[in-house]
Amino acid sequence: EVQLVEFGGGLVQPGGSLKLSCAASGFTFSGSNFHWVRQASGKGLEWVGRIRSKAFSYATEYAASVKGRFTFSRDDSKNTAYLQMNSLKTEDTAVYYCTTTLGASDYWGQGTLVTVSS
Amino acid sequence: EIVLTQSPGTLSLSPGERATLSCRASQSVTNGYLAWYHQIPGQAPRLLIYGASSRATGIPDRFSGTGSGTDFTLTISRLEPEDFAVYYCQQYGSSPRTFGQGTRVEVK
Repeated sequence: EVQLVEFGGGLVQPGGSLKLSCAASGFTFSGSNFHWVRQASGKGLEWVGRIRSKAFSYATEYAASVKGRFTFSRDDSKNTAYLQMNSLKTEDTAVYYCTTTLGASDYWGQGTLVTVSS
Repeated sequence: EIVLTQSPGTLSLSPGERATLSCRASQSVTNGYLAWYHQIPGQAPRLLIYGASSRATGIPDRFSGTGSGTDFTLTISRLEPEDFAVYYCQQYGSSPRTFGQGTRVEVK
């Protein structure tokens, strides 16, 4: 069974940092691309960015709203993708999802809540 | 970036009725790379349609997608109770990927 589990969310002060993890199982992690999507409470979906597989040199793309502050990485040996968030702003408060597409299916984690507040 | 505008904002319908949702792009979506998602509050989104018209694995045939260029439509032929949710379109042909603001389908 394909499974994605995010963890690492929590409360952080503005200007602080947080690192999210997305642990995957049930499929070939190393060959997959991973996207991060966030959703503020009561709001719509916002694409945060993606990290590609080794075959594509682990290329990354970022939304303009997070570029220069967020960094994607992955450890294929641990089947885990990461989202390092620095210089956090109150507007980064949201549930963060990791997601991947396998063939004609997509898989999402349950999401992890990041709250940026003083 | 490509801006996606969904209409209507809210659709009030009864079970068994037909739902038609629209997604309009500010510029042409490359290769028709347009997806539709369904989200029940408190849950992660679920992919319904990709490539504008292909159903994702396990999606019932009451869901259909059409369109190309800048105009796309999701049709639900007969609403089931579990279909009352929020629907988002997303384009993935250009970077950055972008989502529409969503259409809520509610029980009338």
